[in-house]
Amino acid sequence: DTGVSQDPRHKITKRGQNVTFRCDPISEHNRLYWYRQTLGQGPEFLTYFQNEAQLEKSRLLSDRFSAERPKGSFSTLEIQRTEQGDSAMYLCASPAPGLPVLSSYNEQFFGPGTRLTVL
Amino acid sequence: GENVEQHPSTLSVQEGDSAVIKCTYSDSASNYFPWYKQELGKGPQLIIDIRSNVGEKKDQRIAVTLNKTAKHFSLHITETQPEDSAVYFCGRAFGNEKLTFGTGTRLTIIP
Repeated sequence: DTGVSQDPRHKITKRGQNVTFRCDPISEHNRLYWYRQTLGQGPEFLTYFQNEAQLEKSRLLSDRFSAERPKGSFSTLEIQRTEQGDSAMYLCASPAPGLPVLSSYNEQFFGPGTRLTVL
Repeated sequence: GENVEQHPSTLSVQEGDSAVIKCTYSDSASNYFPWYKQELGKGPQLIIDIRSNVGEKKDQRIAVTLNKTAKHFSLHITETQPEDSAVYFCGRAFGNEKLTFGTGTRLTIIP
C-alpha cells in the first residue's frame, strides 16, 4: 500500500456519459500527477499539480478532460462525453512521504488506479 | 525527445537464474531513472531507482546500472523467484517533471 488511494477502482459507463475519478495522495506533499495506461503500454502522463495549480497538461488531455485539485489536497479527473477510446486505467501518483517538498527528484508512488470501460 | 525504448518485451527465466531488462533514452538532460513492477490489476510499484550522479545501485536481489554516455540503463534481478513474475517498466525524468515510461517487459519465472 503506497498511501495513494483512488476511487472508484472500476467504472463502466456508456459512451457519451460523464465520469469523475478521485485521487487522495500521500498527505503533506504538494505534487500530484495523473497518468493513463492502456492495455500493454506503459503509463502516459496526463497532467500535474503543484498544490492547487495545474502546471502542465499533456496533448492527450483533450478539451473533454478536466482536472482539479481544490485546496491542494485531493484531486479529481473528469471526462465528459466519454468515447470508447477513453477506456484505460487512470493512475494517480504522488511523491514519497518525508521527501523534501523542494526535492528536485521525482520518486512517484502510484495508487491502485481506476479502470474505466466505455461501452 | 523524451522517448524510452525497453527490451525485451517478454522474458522467461528459470527460477533461480538472473533476469536483465534494458532501456535506452534519448534526452541527455534526464537525471532520474526508476523501475516499476506491475502486477495484474494493480498500480505500478516503485522497486528501485537511480540518479544520474551514480552508476550503480543495489537493493538485495535487485540492481540497476546506468551508462550516461551510452544513454542506457538496466535492471538486474538475481536468484529469481516465482513472485518476481510481473510486468516491469523503466522510466526517466528530468528533475521533478513528469515520468516517461518504456513499453514494459513481461517477466515470467519458470518454476
